[in-house]
Amino acid sequence: DTEVTQTPKHLVMGMTNKKSLKCEQHMGHRAMYWYKQKAKKPPELMFVYSYEKLSINESVPSRFSPECPNSSLLNLHLHALQPEDSALYLCASSQVPQPTYEQYFGPGTRLTVT
Amino acid sequence: AQTVTQSQPEMSVQEAETVTLSCTYDTSESDYYLFWYKQPPSRQMILVIRQEAYKQQNATENRFSVNFQKAAKSFSLKISDSQLGDAAMYFCAYRSPRSTSGTYKYIFGTGTRLKVLA
Repeated sequence: DTEVTQTPKHLVMGMTNKKSLKCEQHMGHRAMYWYKQKAKKPPELMFVYSYEKLSINESVPSRFSPECPNSSLLNLHLHALQPEDSALYLCASSQVPQPTYEQYFGPGTRLTVT
Repeated sequence: AQTVTQSQPEMSVQEAETVTLSCTYDTSESDYYLFWYKQPPSRQMILVIRQEAYKQQNATENRFSVNFQKAAKSFSLKISDSQLGDAAMYFCAYRSPRSTSGTYKYIFGTGTRLKVLA
């Protein structure tokens, strides 16, 4: 199984809503990542978890709150988002500490904030 | 800070022809990895090819090959016998050496949109 799954595929939320994005992988990867991707732009790193601990936070606003409940699951909790937060949110995973492995990406959640 | 530059926002290639996508990067590290990822429209990003910086030999995966020039910090992707299914956004990515927390940071270029003409 070399798959990273993300749910939901699409999400529309108002600025006062609270929602969560979910990412799952069963490849035994111990590093998981959240990226934000705007249209026709490269992915921008948001958070990195290593062995279920947050190791990188790229100065992301607190309205985004990541959570890694176990080694297979990664969540991104959303609260009081702004319209400019509308984007494709990608989850990825990779092996650690072996250095030779690339990231495996999920299909993304397309988020629209109204 | 490391940077990755893709100077070609868009490229076109005739089906069955060869095309080369350019990528340059900047780093002071000696041990790193480089990748080309493909992201078709509304579809998942997938790895095309990887190159370890310590290897002099250029990586090859079927119709995809790279020209890795470490001194020049250049990492171009050559697609031979282009197919309609190759049409996608291609991202060059740099992976830093392992951090003290055991993770790696991936930095992506701005992408090149490849169109394949029938």
